[in-house]
Amino acid sequence: ILNVEQSPQSLHVQEGDSTNFTCSFPSSNFYALHWYRWETAKSPEALFVMTLNGDEKKKGRISATLNTKEGYSYLYIKGSQPEDSATYLCAPYNTDKLIFGTGTRLQVFP
Amino acid sequence: DTAVSQTPKYLVTQMGNDKSIKCEQNLGHDTMYWYKQDSKKFLKIMFSYNNKELIINETVPNRFSPKSPDKAHLNLHINSLELGDSAVYFCASSQQTGGDEQFFGPGTRLTVL
Repeated sequence: ILNVEQSPQSLHVQEGDSTNFTCSFPSSNFYALHWYRWETAKSPEALFVMTLNGDEKKKGRISATLNTKEGYSYLYIKGSQPEDSATYLCAPYNTDKLIFGTGTRLQVFP
Repeated sequence: DTAVSQTPKYLVTQMGNDKSIKCEQNLGHDTMYWYKQDSKKFLKIMFSYNNKELIINETVPNRFSPKSPDKAHLNLHINSLELGDSAVYFCASSQQTGGDEQFFGPGTRLTVL
């Protein structure tokens, strides 16, 4: 069983704060690492798909880094806004499937 | 245009009944998936199909049977529904297998009474 751990489980920040979360996964048999954003009452939406060690991807104020050798990825949000409130899921791709973590639930207060 | 659609959105039924959930994608993707969101909010893969062929079949009771009439559709049929089947079921699609980003449907909330 592939263990995917995300921390923290939940996070409350003020508007304008920058924040980051961690995803840990087994480094063996690594193929790709996905990040998804999941707003309440909606469906998960892909943020990034990362494959190379040292990869860094950016979309607006959100960026992610990947370390495949030690098995972790960080997601950063710069200047959080209330619309960033969502659950952020990471999922390594392993043996033909995505294994989702439990997510980090972010709440941004105005 | 809805990329991945599921019907119905809500399904309430009695134990022992048989029900189906339909999924369609208009993205031209080759691969489709069914996920179950369990009581702890985990998303777990149930099945995946690539070009109408089954490629992943996780440890799911054989009361669950996926059917892919063409690569744009992946339906989920559930026989003899049990209380524990109550969950939200998500359909998703991706261009190919091999780790491409997945596009999720809106989910179907199944409640078994």
